[in-house]
Amino acid sequence: DTAVSQTPKYLVTQMGNDKSIKCEQNLGHDTMYWYKQDSKKFLKIMFSYNNKELIINETVPNRFSPKSPDKAHLNLHINSLELGDSAVYFCASSPRPGSSYEQYFGPGTRLTVT
Amino acid sequence: GENVEQHPSTLSVQEGDSAVIKCTYSDSASNYFPWYKQELGKRPQLIIDIRSNVGEKKDQRIAVTLNKTAKHFSLHITETQPEDSAVYFCAGKAGGGNKLTFGTGTQLKVEL
Repeated sequence: DTAVSQTPKYLVTQMGNDKSIKCEQNLGHDTMYWYKQDSKKFLKIMFSYNNKELIINETVPNRFSPKSPDKAHLNLHINSLELGDSAVYFCASSPRPGSSYEQYFGPGTRLTVT
Repeated sequence: GENVEQHPSTLSVQEGDSAVIKCTYSDSASNYFPWYKQELGKRPQLIIDIRSNVGEKKDQRIAVTLNKTAKHFSLHITETQPEDSAVYFCAGKAGGGNKLTFGTGTQLKVEL
């Protein structure tokens, strides 16, 4: 009965590698997000998709590319990983704007770049 | 865009005492203010929220107050318990979409 799930939970990789994180929600929500939480616990939005369409694209390096194959899935691909990319990445989803504004977060993916 | 400031960054209280966390926002068009709780190693979860047409909302031991004129809102936790220990985030939403701007978080520690 998992609402928002992410894989993998932990990801350890070397600088320069390319990696992907996957997210799926079974809540029937229209909107999905990627957040980055750094070591100081700051929660910063990166991207948001509504029904497979990109609607929020914050100041994020081009090495980060989101992809939404359907409205239940939002993946994040990261090219040429850098040390500063180490963080916990949270996926989230929310219903159609106006019906409810609550965001449901996934369990997070802890990315460590060495 | 919206900017949300949160204070204090850390808060330590004795069990049974009250805790208050304050946030200010910049965008006068903001209309929704949620509070999320994040336990160690877990995901953020919504604990209470308030819309701009309401001044106060209460749910058991937690309450949120909103002062639209001053553009600030606060989280109040009464009779704190050890399980209240967590990082608490305020957030604001401006406009018609769902984008939330989060505060910088408050690490609350409830000591026995």
